[in-house]
Amino acid sequence: DTGVSQDPRHKITKRGQNVTFRCDPISEHNRLYWYRQTLGQGPEFLTYFQNEAQLEKSRLLSDRFSAERPKGSFSTLEIQRTEQGDSAMYLCASSAGGSRVSNEQFFGPGTRLTVL
Amino acid sequence: AQKVTQAQTEISVVEKEDVTLDCVYETRDTTYYLFWYKQPPSGELVFLIRRNSFDEQNEISGRYSWNFQKSTSSFNFTITASQVVDSAVYFCALRHILTGGGNKLTFGTGTQLKVEL
Repeated sequence: DTGVSQDPRHKITKRGQNVTFRCDPISEHNRLYWYRQTLGQGPEFLTYFQNEAQLEKSRLLSDRFSAERPKGSFSTLEIQRTEQGDSAMYLCASSAGGSRVSNEQFFGPGTRLTVL
Repeated sequence: AQKVTQAQTEISVVEKEDVTLDCVYETRDTTYYLFWYKQPPSGELVFLIRRNSFDEQNEISGRYSWNFQKSTSSFNFTITASQVVDSAVYFCALRHILTGGGNKLTFGTGTQLKVEL
């Protein structure tokens, strides 16, 4: 399978715990995105990487959230001291770089986080 | 600021009926792309169609067609002869270019389509 993969698919945690999610993009894609989707809403942009550089962060990304892409391949999203409001689906997407005007984002299956 | 509005929360149709999903957008960008994505119950967002702002020609791809009207900032999506497998949440999205050439998608709240036998 050469699509975007995410791990784990589901995570249940208690309030106050730290959680980390992983995203593996399509291998030739140098751009990687994180989105958050709450129930009944569309996905909301969180952050974006080009290779290993984090170039854009949304105001939604509080200081409890940190994302990394250390070698420009897979990425991790960590949430510290989770709160019930963090319960959501966390989606990762990747796209090709360069001058291609289309550059569609291809999404992974998501990680569903439930904070009790 | 970017904004996408999908006023239809839920639509129910009987199989083989045609159905149109509405999308209205706001942007200050002079050139932009619009997308439709499908999200089945499994949760994965599936890319369906893309339209750029400088080409208002409407197209048909299989059972899908779209009507882009820049004058009314609308990008409506039609499924012809709907099937039960079309049941999903459909999202309209607007693309904004970011630093370094990446792009951010602004999504609407989605329209839940239910196709019944």
